[in-house]
Amino acid sequence: GAVVSQHPSRVICKSGTSVKIECRSLDFQATTMFWYRQFPKQSLMLMATSNEGSKATYEQGVEKDKFLINHASLTLSTLTVTSAHPEDSSFYICSARAQGGAELNYGYTFGSGTRLTVV
Amino acid sequence: LAKTTQPISMDSYEGQEVNITCSHNNIATNDYITWYQQFPSQGPRFIIQGYKTKVTNEVASLFIPADRKSSTLSLPRVSLSDTAVYYCLVDRPGSGGYNKLIFGAGTRLAVHP
Repeated sequence: GAVVSQHPSRVICKSGTSVKIECRSLDFQATTMFWYRQFPKQSLMLMATSNEGSKATYEQGVEKDKFLINHASLTLSTLTVTSAHPEDSSFYICSARAQGGAELNYGYTFGSGTRLTVV
Repeated sequence: LAKTTQPISMDSYEGQEVNITCSHNNIATNDYITWYQQFPSQGPRFIIQGYKTKVTNEVASLFIPADRKSSTLSLPRVSLSDTAVYYCLVDRPGSGGYNKLIFGAGTRLAVHP
């Protein structure tokens, strides 16, 4: 089945530094990937849609200059949290769907998530 | 895509059947109903997807009435490892990988010994 790999699984960084999170589709190509964040005991909140070869589309209220998204290839999207602050501490999750064939019947595949802690 | 409404939490015991109902009154013709499961500190995992009537796989069954305004996820003989949050979403797989999945609050299922 479709696999999405997310790295790192957890990261601790100092306030003011930047952190990059990678999301890879391992056995399929994804022209579109999605980035979510999730706070404790809450649901997933869609942050942005990552489009291969073009600019990402951000949801309302998400700062595009703070959460930089790059989708340079059909299998890799990256989310960079710039000038991180403690309030950016959260669980970040990416997702994608394999195109075509039986995979259309299996929904989206999610990465295992990245726990970001800003100290 | 249509919004969904489901109970915030449910409790059950090992070996029981659990049914979680979701309402999606504004579902469109091209929309499918999809359920995901999420354990703490993990990404959601696809469980089942259906369009109408009944769908069954090795994990669960999904019942969708003719008007498609609601659906019920059925988990047979739950175990402690089924304790998780279950999300009901409306999806449009025919659009490829381009449509956004918007998560509601989900149902927090607790299975007790």
